[in-house]
Amino acid sequence: GQQLNQSPQSMFIQEGEDVSMNCTSSSIFNTWLWYKQEPGEGPVLLIALYKAGELTSNGRLTAQFGITRKDSFLNISASIPSDVGIYFCAGQVFNDMRFGAGTRLTVKP
Amino acid sequence: NAGVTQTPKFQVLKTGQSMTLQCAQDMNHEYMSWYRQDPGMGLRLIHYSVGAGITDQGEVPNGYNVSRSTTEDFPLRLLSAAPSQTSVYFCASSPIQGAGETQYFGPGTRLLVL
Repeated sequence: GQQLNQSPQSMFIQEGEDVSMNCTSSSIFNTWLWYKQEPGEGPVLLIALYKAGELTSNGRLTAQFGITRKDSFLNISASIPSDVGIYFCAGQVFNDMRFGAGTRLTVKP
Repeated sequence: NAGVTQTPKFQVLKTGQSMTLQCAQDMNHEYMSWYRQDPGMGLRLIHYSVGAGITDQGEVPNGYNVSRSTTEDFPLRLLSAAPSQTSVYFCASSPIQGAGETQYFGPGTRLLVL
């Protein structure tokens, strides 16, 4: 089955910097989801997007549902040390849900 | 509420051994699922259940069995473990199928097969 293409694979940034990551697919999705996973834990939902072009924020996080419905973007502004973790995208159409491989974020104080 | 719980947290098996990964949820969710997480890959669906007594295969079901006798529990069985099954396993639940935004994940079971 097709997985999503998520990039970058990893990021090393300085505290206070902004972060951008994205997911692309050759298939159309009806819903895009962004999760964060911390060591030893399961993924936790950050943002859900339901409509092409939709821009949704959750605190310092902002995500967008691409116009083509084949991609999505996540931005984190003014990163802090607790942003460290792996960020996953997921695309869903009806009962089919596909995940990206994740972006591992490291924030240096 | 405990949410989704998984046991054990970590397990080492020898090739050919069998074991059951436990998953329980206390949110009265109808839909439960099992995923495996491998380096460089997204979560892949192994099996899922839309309610007690109903299970179906996901993307990578070979080598795994499931059953759902109650709403709360959804165990995953490895009948004869293989090194290719070394992975981190996540159980998840949601009120209904197809509602990923309401899906909760357990903390995971890390399995090493030697």
